[in-house]
Formats: sequence, structure tokens, C-alpha cells
Amino acid sequence: QVQLVQSGAEVKKPGASVKVSCKASGYNFTNYGISWVRQAPGQGLEWMGWIGVYSGHTNYAQNLQGRVTMTIDTSTTTAYMELRSLRSDDAAIYYCARESPPADYWGQGTLVTVSS
Amino acid sequence: ETVMTQSPATLSVPPGERATLSCRASQSVNINLAWYQHKPGQSPRLLIYGASTRATGIPARFSGSGSGTEFTLTISSLQSEDFAVYYCQQYHNWPPAPTFGGGTKVEIK
Repeated sequence: QVQLVQSGAEVKKPGASVKVSCKASGYNFTNYGISWVRQAPGQGLEWMGWIGVYSGHTNYAQNLQGRVTMTIDTSTTTAYMELRSLRSDDAAIYYCARESPPADYWGQGTLVTVSS
Repeated sequence: ETVMTQSPATLSVPPGERATLSCRASQSVNINLAWYQHKPGQSPRLLIYGASTRATGIPARFSGSGSGTEFTLTISSLQSEDFAVYYCQQYHNWPPAPTFGGGTKVEIK
């Protein structure tokens, strides 16, 4: 069965970086893209960006351009999302999702706390 | 950017009754519209794609309709497990740049 398993919770200081991993299994990894979505406390879902697993092509949300990088390791079927220069409003649950489109399978989420 | 607007923000419905949720796009997205169910502590769950096609394993009480800029999600008879937040999402662009609506919380009346 399709599974996306994300790395564990992170606590970071403002200005630091965080890198979240998403290990995919149960399907042909290169046939689908991966999107990253986050949800801040009390807020809705926010799409952050997408990476084409076969091409490596990326498309990032405009408000995160310059701070986010999404990468793929096809040898381990793992996707990564790195967010730099963390601010308090980056505190959220971060999800990866297989992008058909639309996003049909989701990881369990990774809680990122930003606190001094 | 295509802005998605959902209404109402909160919907109070007795169990067993019908719930109707609306989603409007700021420009046409054809039928490239999905609905998700999101419960606290869980990941979002895809319910509907292509505006009206149920995803794998989704009960028939969930139905979607619409095209262009106006869409509806109907839950024909609310069950206890259906109380959650529902999001619409357009995925009309390529490369993907999907946008979500603000969500509708369906609560027990």
C-alpha cells in the first residue's frame, strides 16, 4: 500500500533551518510528484511547493521563494523540504503528499516548533 | 493566483441530516477541483477529485458537483465520523500550484 512516512518533530530557534524528510513506499516513486503543505495553529492548509520526482523540477509558493528548497533522493525514495531563516509564523505541522494531481496520499505530518 | 472561497465557515448539522458545502474559484478551474476532509490529529483525506469523482474507499454519501467557478460538496446523511473541516482545492495549473479554500467546519448541532 502507498505510504509516506515523515521524520519526527523538530524544535528550532528563530533564524535556524529545518529539513523534513518524507519516505515513500508502495508505488513507483518516479511516476508522481511530491507536494508540501503546512498548517499553522488555528489556520487552514497552505500549499508550499511541489517537486517533480522524475524531472527534479520545482515550483514554490511565491511567499516562500528564497527560503524553501525541495529535493529528491530517488535511490532511497525520499523527498526533503528545507526551510531556512525560520520565523515564529513558520511554526506549523508540515505534510508531504503524493501529487497525482491532486494530492491523494499524505504523510502523517511533522510538527515544527519555532521558539527562542 | 486563483483564490478559492468556501462558505459557510461553520455549518451546524444534526446527525442524519444533509450538509451542503460551497466553494467558489476566482477564475475558471474547469473540473480541476478536489475536496479534502481534515480531522484534528490526522492527515487530510482526499474525498473527491475531478469535481465529482469519489476517491478510493470514500462512501457514496459524499458527492461533488460543479464546474468552472462554482462547486458543491454534499454529504447526504451525516455520520458521527463526518464531523471535521472540509477544504476545497483547485489544481488547474501546471506545474502544480494548487490553492486551498479557507475551509468549512462541519459541527454537530
